[in-house]
Amino acid sequence: SQQGEEDPQALSIQEGENATMNCSYKTSINNLQWYRQNSGRGLVHLILIRSNEREKHSGRLRVTLDTSKKSSSLLITASRAADTASYFCATVTGEGAQKLVFGQGTRLTINP
Amino acid sequence: NAGVTQTPKFRVLKTGQSMTLLCAQDMNHEYMYWYRQDPGMGLRLIHYSVGEGTTAKGEVPDGYNVSRLKKQNFLLGLESAAPSQTSVYFCASSQPGQGRHFGAGTRLSVL
Repeated sequence: SQQGEEDPQALSIQEGENATMNCSYKTSINNLQWYRQNSGRGLVHLILIRSNEREKHSGRLRVTLDTSKKSSSLLITASRAADTASYFCATVTGEGAQKLVFGQGTRLTINP
Repeated sequence: NAGVTQTPKFRVLKTGQSMTLLCAQDMNHEYMYWYRQDPGMGLRLIHYSVGEGTTAKGEVPDGYNVSRLKKQNFLLGLESAAPSQTSVYFCASSQPGQGRHFGAGTRLSVL
């Protein structure tokens, strides 16, 4: 079962533009995480936002969380060709081992 | 500091063969995980461990076994490989409540 669903499934923009990806989920969460995956590589953790937080920043990344709408967004500002990758949101719904449930991802292409 | 290291990187098996995938982490993380990633799908959790000597089933555990005899290592075994187990396998580790650190993956083909 997949908790998170990313939107759009694919996004293509010009270098320098901002990219926004959305994630919706179904059940209450402990935290939500965003990951990046370059083609043929492992996933890289970007940001973790907890259920009592509304916004977090990390460099050119901004993540928002709206628990009332069960949704999150990832904004990448001033995009670069190196940002081309797949981006996944993943939700943690419990304490303890905290099973992380991934969505299917958004494929982002930055055109030079 | 190598992070999470997976071996091998690639493997081709015949149906019915067995193999073990090795995952090693040097960050002293408590938790370790095995995921599989298939085209058009997100990562799915196979098994995980919350500490040395402990393992638990994830979302898709059938056909796999795991062991965590040492804190830094997490082994994934396929006793009798099937074509449905053709996939890319990722190991990850984390501290409780933190993001996962992933390995580079193992591409497995079962013919």
